Amino acid sequence: AQSVTQLGSHVSVSEGALVLLRCNYSSSVPPYLFWYVQYPNQGLQLLLKYTTGATLVKGINGFEAEFKKSETSFHLTKPSAHMSDAAEYFCAVKGAGGGADGLTFGKGTHLIIQP
Amino acid sequence: DSGVTQTPKHLITATGQRVTLRCSPRSGDLSVYWYQQSLDQGLQFLIQYYNGEERAKGNILERFSAQQFPDLHSELNLSSLELGDSALYFCASSVDSRGSNYGYTFGSGTRLTVV
Repeated sequence: AQSVTQLGSHVSVSEGALVLLRCNYSSSVPPYLFWYVQYPNQGLQLLLKYTTGATLVKGINGFEAEFKKSETSFHLTKPSAHMSDAAEYFCAVKGAGGGADGLTFGKGTHLIIQP
Repeated sequence: DSGVTQTPKHLITATGQRVTLRCSPRSGDLSVYWYQQSLDQGLQFLIQYYNGEERAKGNILERFSAQQFPDLHSELNLSSLELGDSALYFCASSVDSRGSNYGYTFGSGTRLTVV
């Protein structure tokens, strides 16, 4: 069974500073990994995903994440935070071993941007 | 607009009642997934349908059921409602039964309040 741990339920950064949201996963099979963002009163929007191939994945809005198998991590970064980045961020995992099942989500990290 | 349509957006009902939530997947997507988001449980996968057939079950209560119709829209039925069922219910869709290569597209959710 898969699981996801997001370190820090709340992360606060200054506008223009580096954003780092941490995600560690456990999976018995090679994982597919996702980051989603949720703005208030909205659904989840896909930021980026890792399936196979290049371990550094670039997503929308300047975000990127690196899959590190040895560390079982998939941390999300953005070089320079913008006020519009304030939202809830979810890391999710799905096993790639076939079969059909839903994503397993972390508890989420609320990103606060200080002016 | 993500292309996944959920109705209604808000629903208030009394304990013991039954409600039906509706989801229309993005055009071309054959899989529909239902998720429940609550403050204490986070995002939980409930159930998946693929092309009309149940494909996978997650943490879905026996009081809950779902189906996918020939036109691929899906309905989630919640019965004998309890206060603890108050949550945001999301529907997501994907192209194939694995969904991994294409990601999952989420609707904006139905907020259910049980009073």
